Amino acid sequence: AQTVTQSQPEMSVQEAETVTLSCTYDTSESDYYLFWYKQPPSRQMILVIRQEAYKQQNATENRFSVNFQKAAKSFSLKISDSQLGDAAMYFCAYRGGSNYKLTFGKGTLLTVNP
Amino acid sequence: DADVTQTPRNRITKTGKRIMLECSQTKGHDRMYWYRQDPGLGLRLIYYSFDVKDINKGEISDGYSVSRQAQAKFSLSLESAIPNQTALYFCATNREGRSEQFFGPGTRLTVL
Repeated sequence: AQTVTQSQPEMSVQEAETVTLSCTYDTSESDYYLFWYKQPPSRQMILVIRQEAYKQQNATENRFSVNFQKAAKSFSLKISDSQLGDAAMYFCAYRGGSNYKLTFGKGTLLTVNP
Repeated sequence: DADVTQTPRNRITKTGKRIMLECSQTKGHDRMYWYRQDPGLGLRLIYYSFDVKDINKGEISDGYSVSRQAQAKFSLSLESAIPNQTALYFCATNREGRSEQFFGPGTRLTVL
């Protein structure tokens, strides 16, 4: 079974600085998708960024980018120029290529200090 | 704007009561899911449905049932609620062939 591990229960960053959240996963599949979801205090689950395993290029969405290391099964999220609104719980998630199910990590709580 | 909605947003009930959580979507997606979130555990899949006549159990389906009344509606029922079903419940949708799922705002359920 696939597992997703987020080893940092909590992280903090100063406003305008850069922070990296870690995620590792375990799978025997070669075709899969990886996601980062953000859950602010409003509790809404918001898709931040998505990466297809077959793509070598790291995904980027504005201030959010990933470092996808397929061989190492690592998928970290980098937030640049952190803003107060980035404070949230961040979840890493995995979906197999022929599967339907999202497998989530336990989350990293990010605090942004003014 | 196409959306995923859940009702109620918050609910407090007593042990043994029957509870129904409802999900509606205007995204036109065919696939719908129910997840449960507990502190420190991330989200876990309860049930999923790929179309109106398709219902499948997820990893934690015991104590729950679902109904897909229409392509746009997917309800989760707790036949006899118990305290360890206290959690945040999310509905999600996606389209066949698309990997990302879109989530509703969640329902916080407390069972006393």
